[in-house]
Amino acid sequence: QSVLTQPPSVSAAPGQKVTISCSGSSSNIGNNYVSWYQQLPGTAPKFLIYDNNKRPSGIPDRFSGSKSGTSATLGITGLQTGDEADYYCGTWDNSLSAYVFGTGTKVTVL
Amino acid sequence: QLQLQESGPGLVKASETLSLICTVAGGSTSSTTFYWGWIRQSPGKGLEWIGSMYYSGSSYYSSSLKSRATMSVDTSKNQFSLRLSSVTAADTAVYYCARHGALRYSDSPVWRPGNWFDLWGQGTRVTVSS
Repeated sequence: QSVLTQPPSVSAAPGQKVTISCSGSSSNIGNNYVSWYQQLPGTAPKFLIYDNNKRPSGIPDRFSGSKSGTSATLGITGLQTGDEADYYCGTWDNSLSAYVFGTGTKVTVL
Repeated sequence: QLQLQESGPGLVKASETLSLICTVAGGSTSSTTFYWGWIRQSPGKGLEWIGSMYYSGSSYYSSSLKSRATMSVDTSKNQFSLRLSSVTAADTAVYYCARHGALRYSDSPVWRPGNWFDLWGQGTRVTVSS
């Protein structure tokens, strides 16, 4: 059972914006940076965001991240059909001494 | 360009030991700024962290798998491995190896697991049969 909670699904029309929340606690998000991963159907997860809001090389600026307190948010603007995927947040949990992933959110482009 | 590739049997019998190897091409498992981790994904489920290991042998495991999981790093071969004993059908999953960023606090010489996995293998599907 994951300690990071995400909505099961979000959806929007092409060109629109979606946001995905990731809720944790002081032992994880509250005191550590958050990363986000994109998993396209049938493929391995891809590194999307790190240190709450930084994008690795090659990730378009349509993807953004933020953090406030014990919650983090991933935003995707200018939604494209190619963005249909599962998205996971993740961070280190100091109490568990373990890496924890969010429950995952499926993004659907209507 | 660094790449990770998992290898191992796709079918394991229940009660036996699952063994996987991850080969790091184009990079070194001796890097001081990374741990090497294993993550799995059961059919239709989310990502589950299994554990991460440093080249020196320092390791961290998920509490739910700690009693059955063993990781090792072979720096001479640029490989790291996972062994999971006494497998059951619940261990059927796609297993990923990944590079796990490390952090060092300014007042400590110790590198600890960080908050990101920046490179992933393609994954290998393992089925546990009865």
